[in-house]
Amino acid sequence: GNSVTQMEGPVTLSEEAFLTINCTYTATGYPSLFWYVQYPGEGLQLLLKATKADDKGSNKGFEATYRKETTSFHLEKGSVQVSDSAVYFCALDRGSTLGRLYFGRGTQLTVWP
Amino acid sequence: EPEVTQTPSHQVTQMGQEVILRCVPISNHLYFYWYRQILGQKVEFLVSFYNNEISEKSEIFDDQFSVERPDGSNFTLKIRSTKLEDSAMYFCASTIKQGNTEAFFGQGTRLTVV
Repeated sequence: GNSVTQMEGPVTLSEEAFLTINCTYTATGYPSLFWYVQYPGEGLQLLLKATKADDKGSNKGFEATYRKETTSFHLEKGSVQVSDSAVYFCALDRGSTLGRLYFGRGTQLTVWP
Repeated sequence: EPEVTQTPSHQVTQMGQEVILRCVPISNHLYFYWYRQILGQKVEFLVSFYNNEISEKSEIFDDQFSVERPDGSNFTLKIRSTKLEDSAMYFCASTIKQGNTEAFFGQGTRLTVV
């Protein structure tokens, strides 16, 4: 089946620290992989995506590489800011014409000044 | 910037009552979805909707649930007889195409069944 396992939170970091949030997946077929972010009081927003193996998605200083050999899509940022405090969700779709997303639990990130 | 809007932001209802959660998707989007997240658990897919019919539903989406697009703008989720375990955050989403594309989410409706 299809599922996403995401690092448990919460994660608390100081400003300018390095961030990694782990995400692994199981999937049938050739999934596309996504990171969504939810800021307080807002809906989920796409942060980055990768559609095939070895693709790297990047946005706002965040990066994630689609690793088929380890079935992983870990989110990284070299230097976090207070404004990055949010909940981060890893997700996949099946890469077909069906739009259903499979999500992880979400990881709460808090960044202190 | 276009956005998906959901109302209400918070709904409290008594067990056994019917609730309708409302969503206005982005106007040129064709595919619509409902997801929910029970506190501390994964965001779970409920249903997808296209061309005025359900295109896929999960095992959660039983006879208690229904969806409708009553006019050209609204997309609703109805729960006929709410149970305590229906308490969750419900997210509406829309996409311009199906699969391998950005989904735009509303801010969610927190449903509390008492």
